[in-house]
Amino acid sequence: GAGVSQTPSNKVTEKGKYVELRCDPISGHTALYWYRQSLGQGPEFLIYFQGTGAADDSGLPNDRFFAVRPEGSVSTLKIQRTERGDSAMYLCASSFSGRAGETQYFGPGTRLLVL
Amino acid sequence: AQSVAQPEDQVNVAEGNPLTVKCTYSVSGNPYLFWYVQYPNRGLQFLLKYITGDNLVKGSYGFEAEFNKSQTSFHLKKPSALVSDSALYFCAVSFRDNYGQNFVFGPGTRLSVLP
Repeated sequence: GAGVSQTPSNKVTEKGKYVELRCDPISGHTALYWYRQSLGQGPEFLIYFQGTGAADDSGLPNDRFFAVRPEGSVSTLKIQRTERGDSAMYLCASSFSGRAGETQYFGPGTRLLVL
Repeated sequence: AQSVAQPEDQVNVAEGNPLTVKCTYSVSGNPYLFWYVQYPNRGLQFLLKYITGDNLVKGSYGFEAEFNKSQTSFHLKKPSALVSDSALYFCAVSFRDNYGQNFVFGPGTRLSVLP
């Protein structure tokens, strides 16, 4: 079956603009995660959804970042008033139910560049 | 706090030789340990995981890892390296907190297999 997909694969924007990054998880997976990966570093947790609700958003760096998952499937990560420091690879992952020990399956990522 | 360390930024090995990529962890409770591989401009690809049972875990592409509770380590190994194994490798620990499952990744180790 299809894996996790993310669009766009690359996004270039100007400082101060608004961007939306989309994640389509594996069908049937209730748990969805967003991570940010800076060059040469490991992924850093941003937010975790269980179904439609954000179960843990403690990794969001500030209130410019927001994510939704209105129907419990596709999720959108929204960044307002982008800054150059937001440039990174944004990774989405999903797992079947969110239990500890479950494998998370990652999408190919969206590379965001803020000029 | 849960954490993962990968003490080597870079590992170089000749093709055909055995390889080891090191990982140590710090978690409270039972650890669930993972290895992922990342090729350039790609998302993370699951290799293997330890949940419970046999300390030697076998995964994709001939990789294996040994869980050592007394040394809090989970080193990744392969008996005979291939040039195509050259990539970025991440160790991660999964645990359950008040919100659900959480993943913490190590900083990554770049493996270069030389022909």
